[in-house]
Amino acid sequence: SYELTQPLSVSVALGQTAKISCGGNKIGSRNVHWYQQKPGQAPVLVIYRDHNRPSGIPERFSGSYSKSTATLTVSSAQAEDEADYYCQMWDSSTVVFGGGTKLTVL
Amino acid sequence: EAQLVESGGTVVQPGGSLRLSCAASGFTFDDYAMHWVRQAAGEGLEWVSLISWDGSEISYADSVKGRFTVSRDNNKKSLYLQMNSLRAEDTALYYCAKDMGSTTGSDDGFDIWGQGTKVTVAS
Repeated sequence: SYELTQPLSVSVALGQTAKISCGGNKIGSRNVHWYQQKPGQAPVLVIYRDHNRPSGIPERFSGSYSKSTATLTVSSAQAEDEADYYCQMWDSSTVVFGGGTKLTVL
Repeated sequence: EAQLVESGGTVVQPGGSLRLSCAASGFTFDDYAMHWVRQAAGEGLEWVSLISWDGSEISYADSVKGRFTVSRDNNKKSLYLQMNSLRAEDTALYYCAKDMGSTTGSDDGFDIWGQGTKVTVAS
C-alpha cells in the first residue's frame, strides 16, 4: 500500500518559520492536503490541493511541493500552532495519511 | 454552520458488532462523498472507508475490508458504519468527515470533521 513519510517531530522558535515535509513517490501527480490536530480535538483542514487555504486559516500557513516531497510551511509560528500535522493524499480510490508530525513551538 | 455528529460508540467484546452513525447538518449532504477515519489512542489518523454522494461507489482500507460496511441515507442526512467481527485493534476514536468532492477518487481534502465516537473492543 502507498505510504507518506513525515518526520516525527519539528521544533521552531516562536516567530520563526517551520517546515514540515511529506514524502511520497506520487507527490506531484495527485493533490496533497494538510490537517492540524490539537490535543483532544478533531483534525482541521489547513491546506487543500497542495497550496490552498480554507477560509479562516491564517495566511502564515502555506503549502508547496517539489519532486517527491510536499511541504507545509508555518511562517512566524505562534504558540497556538503547536499541534500534530498530517498530510493526506488519494491513492486510486483509497486515502492515505502520513504518520503525523508534532510541531513544538519553543 | 456545517456540522457532523457521530454516535454509537461503546465497549464491545471481540467478535462482536456495532453500528456507528453520523448526522450531518448545515450543508447539502447528498452533494458530497463521506468518509470514516479512525485514530487509536496516541496514534495517527487511519482512513477507514468512503462512500460517494449517492452510495454507488464505496471503498475500504484493507484492515477492515470484509468486516465493515459503510452506507448512507441522504433523506436522513446520515452516514453509517456497520462494524462486524470486531478485533482489539479496531479500538479507536472514529471520526466521520466530509469530502470536498462528490465521488471516490475525488483527489480532494476533508473540510468538515465530527468530534468522534469512541469504540473499545475488549473482553
